[in-house]
Amino acid sequence: QKEVEQNSGPLSVPEGAIASLNCTYSDRGSQSFFWYRQYSGKSPELIMFIYSNGDKEDGRFTAQLNKASQYVSLLIRDSQPSDSATYLCAAIAGGTSYGKLTFGQGTILTVHP
Amino acid sequence: DGGITQSPKYLFRKEGQNVTLSCEQNLNHDAMYWYRQDPGQGLRLIYYSQIVNDFQKGDIAEGYSVSREKKESFPLTVTSAQKNPTAFYLCASSNRQGDEQYFGPGTRLTVT
Repeated sequence: QKEVEQNSGPLSVPEGAIASLNCTYSDRGSQSFFWYRQYSGKSPELIMFIYSNGDKEDGRFTAQLNKASQYVSLLIRDSQPSDSATYLCAAIAGGTSYGKLTFGQGTILTVHP
Repeated sequence: DGGITQSPKYLFRKEGQNVTLSCEQNLNHDAMYWYRQDPGQGLRLIYYSQIVNDFQKGDIAEGYSVSREKKESFPLTVTSAQKNPTAFYLCASSNRQGDEQYFGPGTRLTVT
């Protein structure tokens, strides 16, 4: 079973700080990685995707991918209370399972004023 | 206004009854997916479809069935064979398989 692992948290950061969310994956064939934000009782919302090694920035969000270490991270700069949510990491399976999205269990982030 | 709609938002059923959850998208996406989420858990894939009239089992397909007769629609039936049907059901779509997926608002099913 191909897995995506996340620290369930909760991760608590003060307003204005950088929140760092981490994810590891076991399928070396995975090519595409996604970060979703899920507010309580709501459906997941796509916030970032990354395909290549290195960093990808979008506003206050930076996704980082290291395929050699099988590691994906999401940095949230200038964290706001509205960023408080569960963050789900997901990977697209490679090989014969191509296209199947496997999710981690999510990290709960709390940003306190 | 493009998007994915799921209905109803909340659904209550008695044990032993089959129930069908609706999912419609007007994004012109080829691929559609059904996931299940249990409290404190990540999402688990039930079924997915890359193209009309074709679908594949995901990781937890037992007790579920789907159809894909139209590109815009991918209904999910939760049958009485599903042992623990109470969950949050999420439908998603992507332009093609392997592309980023976008989710509908979900249907919360409670079976008693």
